[in-house]
Amino acid sequence: EAGVAQSPRYKIIEKRQSVAFWCNPISGHATLYWYQQILGQGPKLLIQFQNNGVVDDSQLPKDRFSAERLKGVDSTLKIQPAKLEDSAVYLCASSLVRTLHEQFFGPGTRLTVL
Amino acid sequence: AQKITQTQPGMFVQEKEAVTLDCTYDTSDQSYGLFWYKQPSSGEMIFLIYQGSYDEQNATEGRYSLNFQKARKSANLVISASQLGDSAMYFCAMASAGGTSYGKLTFGQGTILTVHP
Repeated sequence: EAGVAQSPRYKIIEKRQSVAFWCNPISGHATLYWYQQILGQGPKLLIQFQNNGVVDDSQLPKDRFSAERLKGVDSTLKIQPAKLEDSAVYLCASSLVRTLHEQFFGPGTRLTVL
Repeated sequence: AQKITQTQPGMFVQEKEAVTLDCTYDTSDQSYGLFWYKQPSSGEMIFLIYQGSYDEQNATEGRYSLNFQKARKSANLVISASQLGDSAMYFCAMASAGGTSYGKLTFGQGTILTVHP
C-alpha cells in the first residue's frame, strides 16, 4: 500500500513570494490533514478535510494561507504572500475516516523563506 | 482545549537499557486517543503506539509500551532494550473527540532521545 505522498520535499523562496504544496493521501482515506511544524516544536493542525469539505480551519491564517481538496482525493496548500515566520515543515496526513486512531503522515515539505 | 506536556527536552540512555519518556495531558473530553510518534532526523512522523481513553489495559507494540494512568492524566512511553536506531525526536499527541475537532491531533513539544553505544 502506497503511503502519503508530498511534493516538493524542499522549497526555498523569498518573502512575499507565493508557494504551493501538494499532497496525495493513501487511497481510500476520506480525511486529510495539513500540519505546520516549526523547528523545535510539535506539529500544529492548519486544516482538516473530510472528503472535499473543510471540517476545521480554525488555525489557518486565512489572510495568506489557502487549501483545497477539490475531488476529495489530493490536496493543495498555498501561501501567498509568504512571510519569514512561515519557514517550517508542512506535513500532510490522512486517515480512513475521522478517527481517534492512527493518522498516516507524509514525508513533509521543508519551506525556507528568506 | 487540549494540551500535551512533555517536560523532558532531552533524554539519554545506554544501548540495551529501558527508557521512559514522560507525557501528561489535559482535556475535558471523555473520549480521546493518545499517541506516540517518532520523528528521525529525516523528518517523517512514524506512528509507534496508540491508547484509547476507554482501554483498560496498557497498549504494547513490540519494544514499546504505553503506561496509561488516566486519573493522573499521564501517558508515558516505555522503550525496552534501546537500540541505536531509536535515537530521534519523540512526540506525544492526543486526538480529541469533541465537535469539529474530532480526530485533530494536538502534539507536545517533543523529547529528543539519544541512545549511547
